[in-house]
Amino acid sequence: GAVVSQHPSWVICKSGTSVKIECRSLDFQATTMFWYRQFPKQSLMLMATSNEGSKATYEQGVEKDKFLINHASLTLSTLTVTSAHPEDSSFYICSAETGLTNEKLFFGSGTQLSVL
Amino acid sequence: QKEVEQDPGPLSVPEGAIVSLNCTYSNSAFQYFMWYRQYSRKGPELLMYTYSSGNKEDGRFTAQVDKSSKYISLFIRDSQPSDSATYLCAMRSNTGNQFYFGTGTSLTVIP
Repeated sequence: GAVVSQHPSWVICKSGTSVKIECRSLDFQATTMFWYRQFPKQSLMLMATSNEGSKATYEQGVEKDKFLINHASLTLSTLTVTSAHPEDSSFYICSAETGLTNEKLFFGSGTQLSVL
Repeated sequence: QKEVEQDPGPLSVPEGAIVSLNCTYSNSAFQYFMWYRQYSRKGPELLMYTYSSGNKEDGRFTAQVDKSSKYISLFIRDSQPSDSATYLCAMRSNTGNQFYFGTGTSLTVIP
């Protein structure tokens, strides 16, 4: 299957700092990437849809000024959590779609963010 | 009504048992169906992918789609302790680019 690389795997930061998470499609070009947030023992919560070269589309209730998404190339999307606070602590996962009609979704390994 | 319904479990079975995991959905436009396996604190891994109705088999895994009933299943034969994980179903339609996920079923295979 297609490989999506996500870094870092985990990060601990102080409240008020910004954290950048990278998501790369290693062996395919991803015109669309998705960012999810997942709380313990809960399912994936879609945060935003990121299309290469255009502004991300955020889901209702997700602050676009806090969660900055940049999809500068067909293989890289980044999520920056700005001025992080303890309530932003969560597991963040990126995914990219591929296939002839973009019908398959492949996920990164996730990033555990802990804000102190 | 949620787009996709999935029993969260938890489901606990002895090693070697046959496991049946299921999802129901409400949108008849869904055409692409996927099953993912997620280990704790890891990203979901694509296990099975099916287009439209029918069965698909891959080793110990069989995916079934019944579009008339809006019901999909994943069967795991000869279950192993390493199969212990959360299983997520996902689906999407031909139009739009959003994938819809079930809440996940937590499975434990006891040695």
